[in-house]
Parts: sequence; C-alpha cells; structure tokens
Amino acid sequence: GAVVSQHPSRVICKSGTSVKIECRSLDFQATTMFWYRQFPKKSLMLMATSNEGSKATYEQGVEKDKFLINHASLTLSTLTVTSAHPEDSSFYICSARDLGQGAGNTIYFGEGSWLTVV
Amino acid sequence: RKEVEQDPGPFNVPEGATVAFNCTYSNSASQSFFWYRQDCRKEPKLLMSVYSSGNEDGRFTAQLNRASQYISLLIRDSKLSDSATYLCAVKGTGRRALTFGSGTRLQVQP
Repeated sequence: GAVVSQHPSRVICKSGTSVKIECRSLDFQATTMFWYRQFPKKSLMLMATSNEGSKATYEQGVEKDKFLINHASLTLSTLTVTSAHPEDSSFYICSARDLGQGAGNTIYFGEGSWLTVV
Repeated sequence: RKEVEQDPGPFNVPEGATVAFNCTYSNSASQSFFWYRQDCRKEPKLLMSVYSSGNEDGRFTAQLNRASQYISLLIRDSKLSDSATYLCAVKGTGRRALTFGSGTRLQVQP
C-alpha cells in the first residue's frame, strides 16, 4: 500500500481561487518532503523542498508567494496554489525520503494531484 | 545543457524484443542513480537503483558509466505491460532531491 498519501487526487478550481494539496507520510516521519510539478509529456520539475518546522527552499523561478508550502508536522506537508491561473494547471506530486533504520533512504512518491484551473 | 537528458522516444518495439535506453547526466559529482517507471497520469514508481557494478532484476539490467556520465536500462523479452515512460533520476552531492530526465516512452506492440 501507499506510504505517501496525497490529497486530493484531482481538483478543478476557478481562476483566482486558492487550492491546497496535502502530502502525508503514512508509515514514517519525514523531516523533508519535495514538491514537483509535471506538465504533459514533460519531466518532473522540482519546485521546492519542504522542511519540517522551517521555511521551504524554493527552486529558481518558483514564486514562493504563489506556491505556499507548510510543513507543520513530521508527517504532513501542504502546498497551496494561491490565486490560481489556467497556466498553473498541472500534475503536482510530492515525495518523501524514509530515513528510518533499515529503510535505505528510500524515496516514496505520493499519487499526485491533477489541478485544472478554469 | 540539461542536468539529466534522455531521448524522449517513443520506442515502438514488438513483444519479445530487447530494448535499451540511455540517460546522460552533466554533474560528475552525482552520487545516486535510479530508473523510474511512470504510467500515464500516474506517479513515478521506482524500477531499480543503479549501482556502479551494474545490477539486474529479472528482465531488467541497469548499468552506470561514470567516465562517460551515463546510465542505461536494458529490458529483455519485452511485454505489453512494459509500455510506459521510463524516467532516469540522479541525486547530486549535497542535494537531497532527485533530478529527473524528461523520460523515454516505450510502446510494446503485439
């Protein structure tokens, strides 16, 4: 079963509204989670690194005020797309690394969230 | 130059064929290498890690060539169910996240 759960899997919102996507690690604690975005037939592009209890680290070109990341607990990170525009429509996916003993630093991905802004 | 590059394909092969994909990376200090499989509109799933000595998992063989900075994936006896996009991923020194290639699409035909 999934060890990283992402919700919602699909969301449609109107332009100008905000959408929150949740990423939960189910069987382990994740001090760091990663948020990616993938446009159709393109690669996964890292948007930001979410750090538990501190500010997220954003990749160059990603607007931190538009893509708000909160990592308030060791098992939950949220990505909020604020003032969404149609060009924000994409596949958003999170990942987390299990640093637990015996886990081998395995990286798990959430199921992804399809965002459509109309 | 992109950090990680792949031929986007598509590779159209008949069932039973052997197919190989390459992936080049630009950062010579990269430490870890992986192949992921991504089905349409789904999240990527780890296919296999790539070790320096090369490694095999059933019909899948991964190789790493540090001198030429590329990794490869060989699929033998292709099945229809192997049809997917194959992404290579690289983790660099001091960077905790993975950097992905754009993926190579494989279509296995009956």
